[in-house]
Amino acid sequence: DAGVTQSPTHLIKTRGQQVTLRCSPISGHKSVSWYQQVLGQGPQFIFQYYEKEERGRGNFPDRFSARQFPNYSSELNVNALLLGDSALYLCASSLEGDSGYGYTFGSGTRLTVV
Amino acid sequence: GQQVMQIPQYQHVQEGEDFTTYCNSSTTLSNIQWYKQRPGGHPVFLIQLVKSGEVKKQKRLTFQFGEAKKNSSLHITATQTTDVGTYFCANKFYFGSGTKLNVKP
Repeated sequence: DAGVTQSPTHLIKTRGQQVTLRCSPISGHKSVSWYQQVLGQGPQFIFQYYEKEERGRGNFPDRFSARQFPNYSSELNVNALLLGDSALYLCASSLEGDSGYGYTFGSGTRLTVV
Repeated sequence: GQQVMQIPQYQHVQEGEDFTTYCNSSTTLSNIQWYKQRPGGHPVFLIQLVKSGEVKKQKRLTFQFGEAKKNSSLHITATQTTDVGTYFCANKFYFGSGTKLNVKP
């Protein structure tokens, strides 16, 4: 079985642009969570989706949005990019919303805003 | 989810020495999870603790959950260079800031 896959792996965008990041969870996992990780810090929670509904939202501005599709894959959108949005964006999948079995992370998308 | 605080931020040890990282919360936690992130990698789930006073072992790693379910620890016995990385505790959606472990051969 494939693990959590994220695309693209790397991305360079200009300030003010919009970006869409994609995530496919492990087969059978119905929950997807998005995290932002700045170098030297822990993953910061952005969103969690379970069965296509938003289950949790972290302390991020409205420029950040996400959705989950019927096949449980997910997209994270960030509008009006700022330099401070440069980070590793991690997607994590789990069987259920409350990850009793732990989150499985993808390798992430490295976003650089210039 | 509850915010969790981790100490220390960094730990440098000689290979063969022990290592401990601590995770603390001001409120009772439903559970605590531990993850390891190697340099340049992504977090990898190690274990979940749920019960008060729970202790679990994975080879040289020992995980404890406090009696009040407000703190947890990860102890590594006789560190090896393969233990290098950042160790995070997490509760529900929220991750601690991590302890970065460096092991000198």
